[in-house]
Amino acid sequence: AQSVTQLDSQVPVFEEAPVELRCNYSSSVSVYLFWYVQYPNQGLQLLLKYLSGSTLVESINGFEAEFNKSQTSFHLRKPSVHISDTAEYFCAVSPNNAGNMLTFGGGTRLMVKP
Amino acid sequence: EAQVTQNPRYLITVTGKKLTVTCSQNMNHEYMSWYRQDPGLGLRQIYYSMNVEVTDKGDVPEGYKVSRKEKRNFPLILESPSPNQTSLYFCASSSDRVSSSYEQYFGPGTRLTVT
Repeated sequence: AQSVTQLDSQVPVFEEAPVELRCNYSSSVSVYLFWYVQYPNQGLQLLLKYLSGSTLVESINGFEAEFNKSQTSFHLRKPSVHISDTAEYFCAVSPNNAGNMLTFGGGTRLMVKP
Repeated sequence: EAQVTQNPRYLITVTGKKLTVTCSQNMNHEYMSWYRQDPGLGLRQIYYSMNVEVTDKGDVPEGYKVSRKEKRNFPLILESPSPNQTSLYFCASSSDRVSSSYEQYFGPGTRLTVT
């Protein structure tokens, strides 16, 4: 079984400041890792993923995450946030022999202030 | 447009009155799933389906039923709703192919209140 811990339930930050949303996981098997984003009153959408290869993955809107196997982490970062990044962010894992079987963390609400 | 649709979007009901939340996807996905979202708990899986007529329990299946008679539809049934099933429900679908990168597509959500 897998478990995911998102250490911060809320992260307030000023516009144009950097941000890091933390995610740690536990698993007895190799995993795939995902970040999903939920904008207000919407469903979740995939932000980025790690399946294999380079441990640093990037999204089209400037977010990046690095898979750290030794620390079992997959923290999400952005060097300069915008008001439009205000949303809830979910880290998720799945076993690599069942990529659809997601286990989600509790979510981190990113609040970007002007 | 590729999408997952859910109906209704909002529902207020009373304890014990059977209800069904519909979910439909137009992407020919094999895999479909239902989640509930509660504050601080993230999303927890209720039931999932690997294909037509193949369903299985997730982490929190008690009080729910599902069926998968057609590939595109995956309704969630609450036979006798109780107040602890008040929650935000999401349906999701994805392809089984590795090339899909296992991206799950989510519906817009159904906010259910049971009084």
